[in-house]
Amino acid sequence: QSALTQPPSASGSPGQSVTFSCTGASSDVGGYNYVSWYQQHPGKAPKLMIYEVTKRPSGVPDRFSGSKSGNTASLTVSGLQAEDEADYYCSSYAGSNNLYVFGTGTKVTVL
Amino acid sequence: EVQLVESGGGLVQAGGSLRLSCTASGFTFTDNWMSWVRQAPGKGLEWVAHVKQDGSEKFYVDSVKGRFTISRDNAKNSLFLQMNSLRAEDTAVYYCARARESTKRFDHWGQGTLVTVSS
Repeated sequence: QSALTQPPSASGSPGQSVTFSCTGASSDVGGYNYVSWYQQHPGKAPKLMIYEVTKRPSGVPDRFSGSKSGNTASLTVSGLQAEDEADYYCSSYAGSNNLYVFGTGTKVTVL
Repeated sequence: EVQLVESGGGLVQAGGSLRLSCTASGFTFTDNWMSWVRQAPGKGLEWVAHVKQDGSEKFYVDSVKGRFTISRDNAKNSLFLQMNSLRAEDTAVYYCARARESTKRFDHWGQGTLVTVSS
């Protein structure tokens, strides 16, 4: 099972929006509406930001939103803030053999 | 408050074994599937293993099948990962994560424990 493909980096100025992708296959991203997104600050554990493609856990700001089209999912961070600077990983359920696959990660920089 | 605390990491020679533990608190442990996810230094996340609430079903990433065993002790709210025949490429921070099976998400993570395999 190959990792999902994410762009290595994305950036934006405070207040701007940034969107980045997560590309998989019909056996994972395209086959299930079980895409999650995780935020990870340096030296910290990942934090769930989005699940089931578009849903936000309680406590996650509505500046974070997710979408999916075909085999590609996307995460948008609107109104960028300094604390949004982190690595972001997508994840998808991948069926009954290798259950979960993560993306390669995108480093978001707030300029 | 949900807490997951990993322990058992360390330095081990290639071919050796190590047993990781994760102690859970703040939620009903027996209600949840649990997973191990690892992250090699400077690299991305990789799902490793997954166990059902009662331990009756277990799943592994291909690269650890036959070498790693996930288990749990529900009486002690504990999750384990027995790692045998360790390789240099197993070097990583290992995270314990609570899985929400109905929505296929990992909603709480521990702080991780570092495993270093020397060749």
